[in-house]
Amino acid sequence: DVKVTQSSRYLVKRTGEKVFLECVQDMDHENMFWYRQDPGLGLRLIYFSYDVKMKEKGDIPEGYSVSREKKERFSLILESASTNQTSMYLCASESSSNYGYTFGSGTRLTVV
Amino acid sequence: KNEVEQSPQNLTAQEGEFITINCSYSVGISALHWLQQHPGGGIVSLFMLSSGKKKHGRLIATINIQEKHSSLHITASHPRDSAVYICAVGVGNTPLVFGKGTRLSVIA
Repeated sequence: DVKVTQSSRYLVKRTGEKVFLECVQDMDHENMFWYRQDPGLGLRLIYFSYDVKMKEKGDIPEGYSVSREKKERFSLILESASTNQTSMYLCASESSSNYGYTFGSGTRLTVV
Repeated sequence: KNEVEQSPQNLTAQEGEFITINCSYSVGISALHWLQQHPGGGIVSLFMLSSGKKKHGRLIATINIQEKHSSLHITASHPRDSAVYICAVGVGNTPLVFGKGTRLSVIA
């Protein structure tokens, strides 16, 4: 079975901390995505990547950066966490050949 | 950019009822996805389709490419079907565009 693994299910961080959210997929998918999900706002795309070392801004990239040094791993970085970044963060990967899409189980981040 | 509209936003049904959730989009697509999210849970892919109809257990998804419309049907609904159902569309190798979701509650 296709799998996308996010390193933490719950995370609590302090304002100003640098936060790393890790996502690993085992399907050799080319495309990977980071979303945040907030009540009433649905899923919003933060960053995505179509290949190693490539990254593209999504709809809400401010305050975030990403890293994709290996095909299977896509990291989301909050450079200086703020309380308005408290949210559920979801990683997903996609096959560029058949558009199969798989989400990770999500990381609920609370910034205090 | 594609716009994805789902209806209804909220739906309450009695156990056993036949349920339909609708999704319309504005631009031609490569694939349409139906996703499910249980309360407090992750997002699971139910169907991916680009034409016709797919069935899995009590769930059926249809798509009409000409009308830019898809429906998700649940037959013999059960309380465990209570979840948010999300429609998402993709065009080529661009990120999916998501609908806002339909919150379904099935009451025993």
